[in-house]
Amino acid sequence: GAGVSQTPSNKVTEKGKYVELRCDPISGHTALYWYRQSLGQGPEFLIYFQGTGAADDSGLPNDRFFAVRPEGSVSTLKIQRTERGDSAVYLCASSFSGGARETQYFGPGTRLLVL
Amino acid sequence: EDQVTQSPEALRLQEGESSSLNCSYTVSGLRGLFWYRQDPGKGPEFLFTLYSAGEEKEKERLKATLTKKESFLHITAPKPEDSATYLCAVQAKAGRRALTFGSGTRLQVQP
Repeated sequence: GAGVSQTPSNKVTEKGKYVELRCDPISGHTALYWYRQSLGQGPEFLIYFQGTGAADDSGLPNDRFFAVRPEGSVSTLKIQRTERGDSAVYLCASSFSGGARETQYFGPGTRLLVL
Repeated sequence: EDQVTQSPEALRLQEGESSSLNCSYTVSGLRGLFWYRQDPGKGPEFLFTLYSAGEEKEKERLKATLTKKESFLHITAPKPEDSATYLCAVQAKAGRRALTFGSGTRLQVQP
């Protein structure tokens, strides 16, 4: 079946602007995760959803970052007042039920560049 | 705080030259250790999960092993198509689902 999809694949914006990044998980997966990957580094956890609710948002760096998953499927990561330091690849992953030890399957990422 | 350190940062091999990648970890109780492969411009692709010390898993030319402090990814007779960045991640037992990743090992296999 289809994997995790993310749109857009690339996003260029100016400092101070607002951006939205979308993630469509694998069909039937109830758990969804957002990570951020800087060049030459491994992914860093941002937030985890179980169904519609954010079960763990401890990785969000500050209150400019917010994510929603209103119907328990598609999720949107929202970044307000973007800064140049926000430039990175934003990765989304999903797993079947969010159970311990479950494999997280990643999407291709959205490459965000803040000028 | 959970930590994952991978070495070497980069590795260049000749086709057929076997080697091992290292992943050292510090975690408050290990729920699982995950290996992923990442090609340039793509998301991480799942390879293996290891749960307890002594466990081993194999897939084609790759074999992953786990001790109480580290994991190794052994690559036997690699081919150029094995060139990629290999990422190691841990999941702690303390109720969290987040994965903590290392910085990866960039592997280049030359024909």
